[in-house]
Amino acid sequence: QVQLVQSGAEVKKPGSSVKVSCKASGGTFSSYAINWVRQAPGQGLEWMGGIIPIFGRATYAQNFQGRVTITTDETTSTAYMELSSLRSEDTAVYYCASGGIRFDYWGQGTLVTVSS
Amino acid sequence: DIQMTQSPSSLSASVGDRVTITCRASQSISSYLNWFQHKPGKAPKLLIYAASSLQSGVPSTFSGSGSGTDFTLTISSLQPEDFATYSCQQIYTTPYTFGQGTKLEIK
Repeated sequence: QVQLVQSGAEVKKPGSSVKVSCKASGGTFSSYAINWVRQAPGQGLEWMGGIIPIFGRATYAQNFQGRVTITTDETTSTAYMELSSLRSEDTAVYYCASGGIRFDYWGQGTLVTVSS
Repeated sequence: DIQMTQSPSSLSASVGDRVTITCRASQSISSYLNWFQHKPGKAPKLLIYAASSLQSGVPSTFSGSGSGTDFTLTISSLQPEDFATYSCQQIYTTPYTFGQGTKLEIK
């Protein structure tokens, strides 16, 4: 059974960056895509991008192109999502999700608050 | 981008009721559709994948159908723990877009 454990809540200033981690255990990390999804207050789910660790090349949603970077560290079975040039609208819970396109497994979520 | 439109946006129902939620894609996505349940403070939970396949461990009161552009999620007999928000997601092509969600509330 795959488990994904994310890093803790963050409070950031507008214009800064945040890096959220997602550590996987209990499965084959390299073979399955890891996706990042966010949910802003009162809004629906929004896919940000994804990566297959064994290939190492990420795909991003156009809405985040140029601001988001998704990487992995196979030695620690950890995925990272870094979002830059933060604005108040980026306040949201950020989730990692694995299991390929089925999105079977989810992290617990990381609240990122952007406030001056 | 493929737009996913769910209806209704909210729904009131009683324990034991049968409810149906619909999801329409702006173009054909074959059967590349997931359904999720999510509750406040918890991660989304996969219910249905490939439009009609029940995820392991999900009660058989949940079912999905459809292909192409029109899909439905049906809960045959609502249980107290089913009151939550439900979202569809197309995984036919990136960006993997979600519907706006349907909030299922107790009547």
